[in-house]
Amino acid sequence: QVQLQESGPGLVKPSETLSLTCTVSGGSIISYFWSWIRQPPGKGLEWIGYIHYSGGTHYNPSLESRVAMSVDTSMNQFSLKLSSVTAADTAVYYCARHISQGGTVMDYWGLGTLVTVSS
Amino acid sequence: EIVMTQSPAALSLSPGERATLSCRASQSVRSNLAWYQQKPGQAPRLLIYGASTRATGIPARFSGSGSGTEFTLTISSLQSEDFAVYYCQQYDRWGTFGQGTKLEIK
Repeated sequence: QVQLQESGPGLVKPSETLSLTCTVSGGSIISYFWSWIRQPPGKGLEWIGYIHYSGGTHYNPSLESRVAMSVDTSMNQFSLKLSSVTAADTAVYYCARHISQGGTVMDYWGLGTLVTVSS
Repeated sequence: EIVMTQSPAALSLSPGERATLSCRASQSVRSNLAWYQQKPGQAPRLLIYGASTRATGIPARFSGSGSGTEFTLTISSLQSEDFAVYYCQQYDRWGTFGQGTKLEIK
């Protein structure tokens, strides 16, 4: 059974860079697309972007100028960096795997990690 | 950007009743529409993709329909574990979620 686990600081200062890593276990990162999604407390879901195991990426246009994703196939991990954060970036951040049939549809999700932006 | 609008925002029903949730796209997304269920403190769970294909392990009481701009998620006979928030998501152009419908016990 594929499992995903987000890790990273739970508190980030305004204007700094949020950095998270997703570790995949029970399956290979190879041959799949992987997404980051976030959810502000009490609000809905926002797709941040995806990365292919080969390194190809696509980001939500509304966040594109601040987002960077990378992948490390040797560690079965992929990562998210979001720069110049503000309080509006406070959210639970999820990593997820895309279905094999194609499209930005996520069938396996991590438990999520809360990142708070505050000084 | 494609905007997804879900209705109603909240729905109060009793176990055993039929639930009908709607999702509208601001422009055609063809059949590139997914539905997710989210319970408090949990990650979303994929229910439906391709507008009508149930994901692995999803009970037959969940069904999806529609294409273009109008979509529906139907739960034929509500079970206690079905009370949750439901999100639609288009993936015709990247991925945009609706704001959610909260399904509550009446």
